[in-house]
Amino acid sequence: DQQVKQNSPSLSVQEGRISILNCDYTNSMFDYFLWYKKYPAEGPTFLISISSIKDKNEDGRFTVFLNKSAKHLSLHIVPSQPGDSAVYFCAAFLISSGSARQLTFGSGTQLTVLP
Amino acid sequence: DAGITQSPRHKVTETGTPVTLRCHQTENHRYMYWYRQDPGHGLRLIHYSYGVKDTDKGEVSDGYSVSRSKTEDFLLTLESATSSQTSVYFCAISGARPDTQYFGPGTRLTVL
Repeated sequence: DQQVKQNSPSLSVQEGRISILNCDYTNSMFDYFLWYKKYPAEGPTFLISISSIKDKNEDGRFTVFLNKSAKHLSLHIVPSQPGDSAVYFCAAFLISSGSARQLTFGSGTQLTVLP
Repeated sequence: DAGITQSPRHKVTETGTPVTLRCHQTENHRYMYWYRQDPGHGLRLIHYSYGVKDTDKGEVSDGYSVSRSKTEDFLLTLESATSSQTSVYFCAISGARPDTQYFGPGTRLTVL
């Protein structure tokens, strides 16, 4: 039972255009949502997050939108650059009493930005 | 970059042998995690620790055990490795902020 889903395994975008990566979730109790970027042979690196009480968070070229009614979030990258080519993971975080903070990850989307 | 190292970075072993992976942090963070990454599955939590000697199971804990005797070290042990445990293993740490985990560089394990 995948609680966090990334239905597009890959996405190709032209340099300078907008990249939109999508993520759906099933558990309405998630408290935070995060995006990680991963290059080959490296660990994932944190990109941007959003609290469940907000609907938008922006950091430079990266903006995350949260639609709670649709249980959907998206990451917008504008403008896209070749260095953005990586696997992007969506993750959700649930504060559970008496336990550590656990992230639930989607399966990832490979973004390729074409020069 | 968060101070997280993993050792070894690559390992090839045979079915039935024990394997221990080490995660070391210099950030003094309370929470530490072990994930495995497999194609089509993203990252799945194996075990986590919320303090010295305090550990709990994650989503895919069968066949794995962990230990944390010091704040800075979190060990993952495969008691008897199987081919299904061939994967890339990532350690992560988390501090006071509830919304961010920092990952190590990963260990690629191949079980023949």
